[in-house]
Amino acid sequence: DAGVTQSPTHLIKTRGQQVTLRCSPKSGHDTVSWYQQALGQGPQFIFQYYEEEERQRGNFPDRFSGHQFPNYSSELNVNALLLGDSALYLCASSFSTGGEQYFGPGTRLTVT
Amino acid sequence: GIQVEQSPPDLILQEGANSTLRCNFSDSVNNLQWFHQNPWGQLINLFYIPSGTKQNGRLSATTVATERYSLLYISSSQTTDSGVYFCAVALYNQGGKLIFGQGTELSVKP
Repeated sequence: DAGVTQSPTHLIKTRGQQVTLRCSPKSGHDTVSWYQQALGQGPQFIFQYYEEEERQRGNFPDRFSGHQFPNYSSELNVNALLLGDSALYLCASSFSTGGEQYFGPGTRLTVT
Repeated sequence: GIQVEQSPPDLILQEGANSTLRCNFSDSVNNLQWFHQNPWGQLINLFYIPSGTKQNGRLSATTVATERYSLLYISSSQTTDSGVYFCAVALYNQGGKLIFGQGTELSVKP
């Protein structure tokens, strides 16, 4: 049973650039959530996707956008990167009816 | 918004010792999960426990929803238990959005 997978593992970008992170949910799950974890902090909710639509959004600017594909995989896009966007980005999957969320290994983004 | 507070923030144990980590939350929740984050950043699911008590080997957890707290017990700790432990909750009216505490950093010395 494949768990949640994310790519790439690490990424280095320059301020002002754009980045796309990818996530494949655990087999059978239809809902994907994205979280940002700054160093020394707990993860912060960015947004959640279900049926290819953004269902819920946290307190993040419009520079953060996402997409969900028919196979339930998802992308997180960040435009106009800032130094403060450097963080571990975590993807979680679950059933749309709720319940336990499972996390991927994360993508570590460094903005220089 | 809901507050999730974990205590203690840091904990140092000798191998073989027992410990209790606490998570307090300020509103009614329909999801509570405990995670262990390893040094590479992976969040490992320990318990899904909106209420009641569960046990898994040396670990057990209890959530008292009416009093808005959860406890994670680690018995006979091992060096591999080191890392950060997070409690996360989701509110009834906010779907699957998980709100995390600040974590407890556990260090188990040999």
